[in-house]
Amino acid sequence: NAGVTQTPKFQVLKTGQSMTLQCAQDMNHEYMSWYRQDPGMGLRLIHYSVGAGITDQGEVPNGYNVSRSTTEDFPLRLLSAAPSQTSVYFCASTPWQGGGGELFFGEGSRLTVL
Amino acid sequence: GNSVTQMEGPVTLSEEAFLTINCTYTATGYPSLFWYVQYPGEGLQLLLKATKADDKGSNKGFEATYRKETTSFHLEKGSVQVSDSAVYFCALKGGSSNTGKLIFGQGTTLQVKP
Repeated sequence: NAGVTQTPKFQVLKTGQSMTLQCAQDMNHEYMSWYRQDPGMGLRLIHYSVGAGITDQGEVPNGYNVSRSTTEDFPLRLLSAAPSQTSVYFCASTPWQGGGGELFFGEGSRLTVL
Repeated sequence: GNSVTQMEGPVTLSEEAFLTINCTYTATGYPSLFWYVQYPGEGLQLLLKATKADDKGSNKGFEATYRKETTSFHLEKGSVQVSDSAVYFCALKGGSSNTGKLIFGQGTTLQVKP
């Protein structure tokens, strides 16, 4: 079972460059989300989606865009990378209802912005 | 708003020692509470959960009891092993929330020495 798959696992960018972190899940989960993990700050929600065509902002959305054209995919776009976006990014999913709150996480994408 | 506070780490223990990681929360209504574990180089995975007051979640020898009177959900294990070395996150899902949005604590690193 693939579960939640994130690519790439590692990426180095220069300030001002753009890139997309990919996230795909094969569990037919309606809900998908992106978190960033920073030392001493736990996980903070960037954006989330409750289904195809529906997205919303989380706690720290600035500098990031998302779209949800299919149930399976939820890419995260950095339009103009900044050093403050150096972090580890996690994609997670869960059923819209009946999931009991359990999030299924990908293995993470470590991004460094120089 | 809702929030989760965990004890600061790192926590360093010898094998077979007793473990407690404190977690307190602030929330309106009746939240669900979770402990997630992150092993080195991996994403987070659910360790245990409790959905109502006085519930006890348990898994892999770990336990936590949902204490509404003290707004706490402390994680305990009677005898830790080297393989328990990881980062532990306490998390909360608002009782009125019908999405997968979780609020995480800052994480506590546990290192178990042989």
